[in-house]
Amino acid sequence: DGGITQSPKYLFRKEGQNVTLSCEQNLNHDAMYWYRQDPGQGLRLIYYSQIVNDFQKGDIAEGYSVSREKKESFPLTVTSAQKNPTAFYLCASGPTYEQYFGPGTRLTVT
Amino acid sequence: GQQVMQIPQYQHVQEGEDFTTYCNSSTTLSNIQWYKQRPGGHPVFLIQLVKSGEVKKQKRLTFQFGEAKKNSSLHITATQTTDVGTYFCAGQAGTALIFGKGTTLSVSS
Repeated sequence: DGGITQSPKYLFRKEGQNVTLSCEQNLNHDAMYWYRQDPGQGLRLIYYSQIVNDFQKGDIAEGYSVSREKKESFPLTVTSAQKNPTAFYLCASGPTYEQYFGPGTRLTVT
Repeated sequence: GQQVMQIPQYQHVQEGEDFTTYCNSSTTLSNIQWYKQRPGGHPVFLIQLVKSGEVKKQKRLTFQFGEAKKNSSLHITATQTTDVGTYFCAGQAGTALIFGKGTTLSVSS
Protein backbone atom coordinates (compact mmCIF):
# COMPACT_ATOMS: atom_id res chain seq x y z
CA ASP A 1 0.00 0.00 0.00
CA GLY A 2 1.80 3.13 -1.22
CA GLY A 3 1.82 6.38 0.64
CA ILE A 4 3.42 8.68 3.15
CA THR A 5 3.54 7.94 6.83
CA GLN A 6 4.21 10.33 9.65
CA SER A 7 4.57 9.41 13.25
CA PRO A 8 3.46 10.02 15.82
CA LYS A 9 0.09 11.64 15.17
CA TYR A 10 0.30 13.66 18.39
CA LEU A 11 3.48 14.70 20.15
CA PHE A 12 3.95 16.57 23.40
CA ARG A 13 7.22 18.09 24.54
CA LYS A 14 8.51 20.43 27.15
CA GLU A 15 9.99 23.74 26.13
CA GLY A 16 13.74 23.56 25.58
CA GLN A 17 13.74 20.02 24.20
CA ASN A 18 14.56 19.09 20.63
CA VAL A 19 12.08 16.78 18.96
CA THR A 20 12.30 14.82 15.71
CA LEU A 21 9.30 14.13 13.52
CA SER A 22 9.49 11.22 11.14
CA CYS A 23 8.35 11.07 7.53
CA GLU A 24 8.59 7.99 5.32
CA GLN A 25 7.36 7.47 1.77
CA ASN A 26 7.26 4.46 -0.50
CA LEU A 27 6.08 6.32 -3.59
CA ASN A 28 9.61 6.42 -5.04
CA HIS A 29 9.46 10.22 -5.14
CA ASP A 30 12.71 12.15 -5.36
CA ALA A 31 11.36 15.32 -3.78
CA MET A 32 10.11 15.64 -0.21
CA TYR A 33 8.86 18.64 1.73
CA TRP A 34 8.04 19.79 5.23
CA TYR A 35 5.27 22.29 5.86
CA ARG A 36 3.93 23.93 8.94
CA GLN A 37 0.22 24.73 9.30
CA ASP A 38 -1.18 27.07 11.94
CA PRO A 39 -4.91 27.71 12.49
CA GLY A 40 -6.38 29.89 9.76
CA GLN A 41 -3.12 29.87 7.86
CA GLY A 42 -2.03 28.26 4.69
CA LEU A 43 0.88 25.88 4.46
CA ARG A 44 4.30 27.40 4.97
CA LEU A 45 7.35 25.62 3.63
CA ILE A 46 10.05 24.77 6.17
CA TYR A 47 12.53 22.67 4.16
CA TYR A 48 12.53 20.67 0.98
CA SER A 49 14.78 18.08 -0.59
CA GLN A 50 14.89 17.27 -4.27
CA ILE A 51 17.41 14.47 -4.00
CA VAL A 52 19.16 12.35 -1.40
CA ASN A 53 21.86 14.14 0.59
CA ASP A 54 20.64 17.54 -0.53
CA PHE A 55 18.06 19.92 0.93
CA GLN A 56 17.16 23.60 0.84
CA LYS A 57 15.60 26.03 3.28
CA GLY A 58 12.04 27.11 2.75
CA ASP A 59 10.37 30.28 3.95
CA ILE A 60 10.49 29.51 7.68
CA ALA A 61 13.55 27.30 8.24
CA GLU A 62 14.84 29.05 11.36
CA GLY A 63 14.75 26.73 14.38
CA TYR A 64 14.40 23.58 12.26
CA SER A 65 16.82 21.07 10.78
CA VAL A 66 16.46 18.13 8.40
CA SER A 67 18.43 15.29 6.89
CA ARG A 68 17.95 13.21 3.76
CA GLU A 69 20.14 10.14 4.01
CA LYS A 70 17.67 7.86 2.27
CA LYS A 71 15.24 8.49 -0.55
CA GLU A 72 12.37 7.20 1.55
CA SER A 73 13.00 9.24 4.67
CA PHE A 74 13.04 12.95 5.48
CA PRO A 75 13.00 13.56 9.25
CA LEU A 76 12.46 17.03 10.68
CA THR A 77 13.99 18.18 13.96
CA VAL A 78 12.29 21.00 15.79
CA THR A 79 15.00 22.55 17.90
CA SER A 80 14.74 24.57 21.08
CA ALA A 81 15.61 27.62 18.98
CA GLN A 82 12.17 27.54 17.32
CA LYS A 83 10.22 30.19 19.20
CA ASN A 84 6.69 28.96 18.46
CA PRO A 85 6.95 25.24 17.77
CA THR A 86 3.38 24.27 18.58
CA ALA A 87 1.76 23.56 15.20
CA PHE A 88 0.56 20.93 12.77
CA TYR A 89 3.46 19.59 10.72
CA LEU A 90 2.84 18.08 7.31
CA CYS A 91 5.28 16.11 5.22
CA ALA A 92 4.76 15.78 1.49
CA SER A 93 6.45 14.14 -1.45
CA GLY A 94 6.20 14.31 -5.19
CA PRO A 95 6.85 16.81 -7.93
CA THR A 96 6.11 20.48 -7.23
CA TYR A 97 3.04 20.33 -9.45
CA GLU A 98 1.36 17.46 -7.54
CA GLN A 99 2.25 16.82 -3.96
CA TYR A 100 1.10 13.96 -1.77
CA PHE A 101 0.73 14.71 1.91
CA GLY A 102 1.14 12.52 4.94
CA PRO A 103 -1.42 12.51 7.76
CA GLY A 104 0.57 15.08 9.78
CA THR A 105 1.97 15.33 13.29
CA ARG A 106 0.38 17.70 15.76
CA LEU A 107 3.15 18.98 18.04
CA THR A 108 2.40 20.69 21.32
CA VAL A 109 5.20 22.28 23.30
CA THR A 110 4.50 23.55 26.79
CA GLY B 1 7.49 38.81 -1.91
CA GLN B 2 5.36 36.51 -3.94
CA GLN B 3 1.86 36.10 -2.54
CA VAL B 4 -1.23 34.08 -3.27
CA MET B 5 -4.38 35.60 -1.82
CA GLN B 6 -7.48 33.49 -1.39
CA ILE B 7 -11.02 34.66 -0.63
CA PRO B 8 -13.27 34.25 1.17
CA GLN B 9 -11.66 32.87 4.30
CA TYR B 10 -14.89 31.22 5.40
CA GLN B 11 -18.12 30.36 3.63
CA HIS B 12 -21.24 28.76 5.00
CA VAL B 13 -23.91 27.47 2.62
CA GLN B 14 -27.09 25.48 2.75
CA GLU B 15 -26.88 22.09 1.13
CA GLY B 16 -27.73 22.44 -2.55
CA GLU B 17 -26.35 25.99 -2.88
CA ASP B 18 -23.34 26.77 -5.00
CA PHE B 19 -19.92 27.78 -3.66
CA THR B 20 -16.95 29.60 -5.17
CA THR B 21 -13.49 30.36 -3.86
CA TYR B 22 -11.05 32.69 -5.60
CA CYS B 23 -7.30 32.84 -5.76
CA ASN B 24 -5.16 35.78 -6.87
CA SER B 25 -1.43 35.90 -7.33
CA SER B 26 0.86 38.90 -7.34
CA THR B 27 2.93 37.29 -10.09
CA THR B 28 2.31 35.22 -13.19
CA LEU B 29 2.14 31.54 -12.39
CA SER B 30 3.37 28.56 -14.37
CA ASN B 31 0.59 26.48 -12.93
CA ILE B 32 -1.92 26.46 -10.11
CA GLN B 33 -3.07 23.53 -8.03
CA TRP B 34 -6.05 22.96 -5.79
CA TYR B 35 -6.09 20.85 -2.65
CA LYS B 36 -8.85 19.87 -0.22
CA GLN B 37 -8.31 19.32 3.47
CA ARG B 38 -11.10 17.67 5.43
CA PRO B 39 -11.47 18.65 9.10
CA GLY B 40 -8.72 16.92 11.06
CA GLY B 41 -7.14 15.60 7.87
CA HIS B 42 -4.37 16.45 5.50
CA PRO B 43 -4.43 18.22 2.13
CA VAL B 44 -5.34 16.06 -0.82
CA PHE B 45 -4.44 17.05 -4.37
CA LEU B 46 -7.47 17.79 -6.53
CA ILE B 47 -6.19 19.18 -9.81
CA GLN B 48 -3.53 21.15 -11.64
CA LEU B 49 -4.20 23.89 -14.20
CA VAL B 50 -1.45 24.91 -16.57
CA LYS B 51 -2.81 26.70 -19.61
CA SER B 52 -4.08 30.26 -19.81
CA GLY B 53 -7.88 30.28 -19.65
CA GLU B 54 -8.02 26.57 -18.85
CA VAL B 55 -11.25 25.13 -17.44
CA LYS B 56 -11.45 21.66 -15.94
CA LYS B 57 -14.36 19.83 -14.39
CA GLN B 58 -14.55 17.05 -11.86
CA LYS B 59 -18.19 16.09 -11.36
CA ARG B 60 -19.69 19.08 -9.50
CA LEU B 61 -16.35 20.94 -9.24
CA THR B 62 -15.25 23.42 -11.91
CA PHE B 63 -11.75 24.87 -11.89
CA GLN B 64 -10.65 27.88 -13.93
CA PHE B 65 -7.27 29.46 -14.61
CA GLY B 66 -7.31 33.10 -15.67
CA GLU B 67 -6.14 34.36 -19.01
CA ALA B 68 -3.22 36.20 -17.41
CA LYS B 69 -2.35 33.13 -15.31
CA LYS B 70 -2.60 35.20 -12.15
CA ASN B 71 -5.96 34.09 -10.83
CA SER B 72 -8.01 30.97 -10.45
CA SER B 73 -11.33 29.85 -9.09
CA LEU B 74 -12.99 26.71 -7.82
CA HIS B 75 -16.76 26.46 -8.13
CA ILE B 76 -18.86 23.73 -6.55
CA THR B 77 -22.37 23.26 -7.89
CA ALA B 78 -25.10 22.07 -5.55
CA THR B 79 -22.95 21.53 -2.48
CA GLN B 80 -23.28 18.41 -0.38
CA THR B 81 -22.28 17.78 3.22
CA THR B 82 -19.35 15.75 1.92
CA ASP B 83 -17.90 18.96 0.45
CA VAL B 84 -17.04 20.41 3.86
CA GLY B 85 -13.41 21.21 4.43
CA THR B 86 -10.78 23.76 3.54
CA TYR B 87 -9.88 24.33 -0.07
CA PHE B 88 -6.39 25.59 -0.81
CA CYS B 89 -4.96 26.92 -4.01
CA ALA B 90 -1.22 26.70 -4.55
CA GLY B 91 0.52 28.69 -7.23
CA GLN B 92 3.86 27.79 -8.73
CA ALA B 93 6.26 30.43 -10.01
CA GLY B 94 9.73 29.11 -10.72
CA THR B 95 10.56 26.41 -8.22
CA ALA B 96 8.48 27.91 -5.42
CA LEU B 97 5.00 26.68 -4.60
CA ILE B 98 3.01 29.23 -2.62
CA PHE B 99 -0.17 28.19 -0.84
CA GLY B 100 -3.10 30.47 -0.24
CA LYS B 101 -4.55 30.54 3.27
CA GLY B 102 -7.54 28.52 2.19
CA THR B 103 -11.31 28.85 2.19
CA THR B 104 -13.14 26.84 4.81
CA LEU B 105 -16.51 25.62 3.61
CA SER B 106 -19.25 24.51 5.95
CA VAL B 107 -22.51 23.04 4.71
CA SER B 108 -25.73 22.69 6.64
CA SER B 109 -28.42 20.23 5.60
